Amino acid sequence: KAGVTQTPRYLIKTRGQQVTLSCSPISGHRSVSWYQQTPGQGLQFLFEYFSETQRNKGNFPGRFSGRQFSNSRSEMNVSTLELGDSALYLCASSFQGDLDGYTFGSGTRLTVV
Amino acid sequence: LAKTTQPISMDSYEGQEVNITCSHNNIATNDYITWYQQFPSQGPRFIIQGYKTKVTNEVASLFIPADRKSSTLSLPRVSLSDTAVYYCLVRTGGGNKLTFGTGTQLKVEL
Repeated sequence: KAGVTQTPRYLIKTRGQQVTLSCSPISGHRSVSWYQQTPGQGLQFLFEYFSETQRNKGNFPGRFSGRQFSNSRSEMNVSTLELGDSALYLCASSFQGDLDGYTFGSGTRLTVV
Repeated sequence: LAKTTQPISMDSYEGQEVNITCSHNNIATNDYITWYQQFPSQGPRFIIQGYKTKVTNEVASLFIPADRKSSTLSLPRVSLSDTAVYYCLVRTGGGNKLTFGTGTQLKVEL
């Protein structure tokens, strides 16, 4: 079966711009979570969605937002990009989030210049 | 602020057993502990998951003490292809936050 698909794979943006990243979960999975990975901070939790509702949120500024659609696909948006937002953004899906291991996508590499 | 910590790196030789420990003293009381493997330029890949005591699958074992404040991933006989970064993942802060461990770079040599 198809895995978790993230688009685009690579992205270069200018400071001050905004960006939208997309995640298509495994068919049937209702939970989607997002993470930021940087060499300095490691893997950090951004937010988690279940059946279109944001269930949990990490410690990131309001410039980071997300949503989940009725087909479980999810998007995250970062507004007013800063150089420090350069990172690998990972999406993961699971059937119900609490008791399942997550399946991760390959990520979107965002570079802010 | 409680952190979920792991050793930064470990070195091993092919055929040896490797044990990687994660300290998660702020873990939510009713959720699983999960371990992942990550290769460069890829997303983490699920290895094993457990709630308490011991769990074993075809690639690893997971040992969890009664207080659940730590867990140990055991890789029985490592090979060169096991060279990767290993992370634990738990829920902390009352279950509201998914927290990855700091990650352990495992290097396996001949």
